Amino acid sequence: DVKVTQSSRYLVKRTGEKVFLECVQDMDHENMFWYRQDPGLGLRLIYFSYDVKMKEKGDIPEGYSVSREKKERFSLILESASTNQTSMYLCASSRTGGYQPQHFGDGTRLSIL
Amino acid sequence: RKEVEQDPGPFNVPEGATVAFNCTYSNSASQSFFWYRQDCRKEPKLLMSVYSSGNEDGRFTAQLNRASQYISLLIRDSKLSDSATYLCVVNSGTGGFKTIFGAGTRLFVKA
Repeated sequence: DVKVTQSSRYLVKRTGEKVFLECVQDMDHENMFWYRQDPGLGLRLIYFSYDVKMKEKGDIPEGYSVSREKKERFSLILESASTNQTSMYLCASSRTGGYQPQHFGDGTRLSIL
Repeated sequence: RKEVEQDPGPFNVPEGATVAFNCTYSNSASQSFFWYRQDCRKEPKLLMSVYSSGNEDGRFTAQLNRASQYISLLIRDSKLSDSATYLCVVNSGTGGFKTIFGAGTRLFVKA
């Protein structure tokens, strides 16, 4: 079974802090993704990566950056957290190829106070 | 128009009922299709892929209509445990990068 592990289930941070969300997958997947999910807005793609050190902007990259130094790890960074970044953050991974589904981690519920 | 559209519901059905969800997509070049299930405050989990010829997994049947650009999910003999949000997912990119998630259809199965 694919295992995608996110470092924290719940996280509370303060406005202006730099926040790191970590994601690790154990299936040697090439692709990794970061989403946020908010009520009524569904899943929105923040960034994705198709290889080590490669990254592409998704639909809502503003205020975020990512890092992929190793194939199995994809980090999401909130450079200066703001209250509108309070959300559920979901990491996913998949094999390369148009027919491959994404597999999700448990999610991190982040609150910015 | 959204790239992937679903009826948000909620669908309220009794145990044992058959319920069907539809999902329409706008990109005719879309390559692959999936249904995910998401429980409240949990992550989406892959329920099943959708193949051109249609496919079945136990009580669940998925179908694809490329000409009309929609996919469907049929749940037979609904169980209380089927209560969840069902997400329609469409891949359009060759590398699997262009994945669009529908907003989901909420299902409540009641005793």
